[in-house]
Amino acid sequence: DSGVTQTPKHLITATGQRVTLRCSPRSGDLSVYWYQQSLDQGLQFLIQYYNGEERAKGNILERFSAQQFPDLHSELNLSSLELGDSALYFCASSVGKEYNEQFFGPGTRLTVL
Amino acid sequence: GQNIDQPTEMTATEGAIVQINCTYQTSGFNGLFWYQQHAGEAPTFLSYNVLDGLEEKGRFSSFLSRSKGYSYLLLKELQMKDSASYLCAVRYGGATNKLIFGTGTLLAVQP
Repeated sequence: DSGVTQTPKHLITATGQRVTLRCSPRSGDLSVYWYQQSLDQGLQFLIQYYNGEERAKGNILERFSAQQFPDLHSELNLSSLELGDSALYFCASSVGKEYNEQFFGPGTRLTVL
Repeated sequence: GQNIDQPTEMTATEGAIVQINCTYQTSGFNGLFWYQQHAGEAPTFLSYNVLDGLEEKGRFSSFLSRSKGYSYLLLKELQMKDSASYLCAVRYGGATNKLIFGTGTLLAVQP
């Protein structure tokens, strides 16, 4: 158990819909990272927040957005969902802002039908 | 563009040593990570190299040569539980601080 929690564990929805994935970092960690892992594209870094502010941006689509709240939990919002958005979404956390040693949550498996 | 190459699959024998290579081409290199990922599970951190040389941590060691854009992960005294995917990831882009992952090397440890 890494100490990072993600909800929900599984999510099934339809094309065109919007979903919100939630992540709570380990106690004391200020950075939260979001990743997408699909079979054909491997693990893709989406975005990093550090202490409430966006720190780094990867291959995040415009249909996706994220935020980190004052209590340091984070949400990833996915809208206008497409079949290709079906993937495992991981959240990770670390103490500092420079990636360091990241601890991954168990992931949310999103299926878009 | 940014690129990371790793072998797709490797097979090794229990008790042996295996070396998993990673080559990268990125701008503004800031560091290299190795992660282990068992099927259906989250990645777990193994090592982080910023400077050239070898970092040893128990049965696992990681080497970096920045001038050659090359790293390897060395696993000693292989155990069946080491069967997993090993992901190489590079921090790059200087101040923009981006992260790119390789597609992973699937290691199968046989008795």
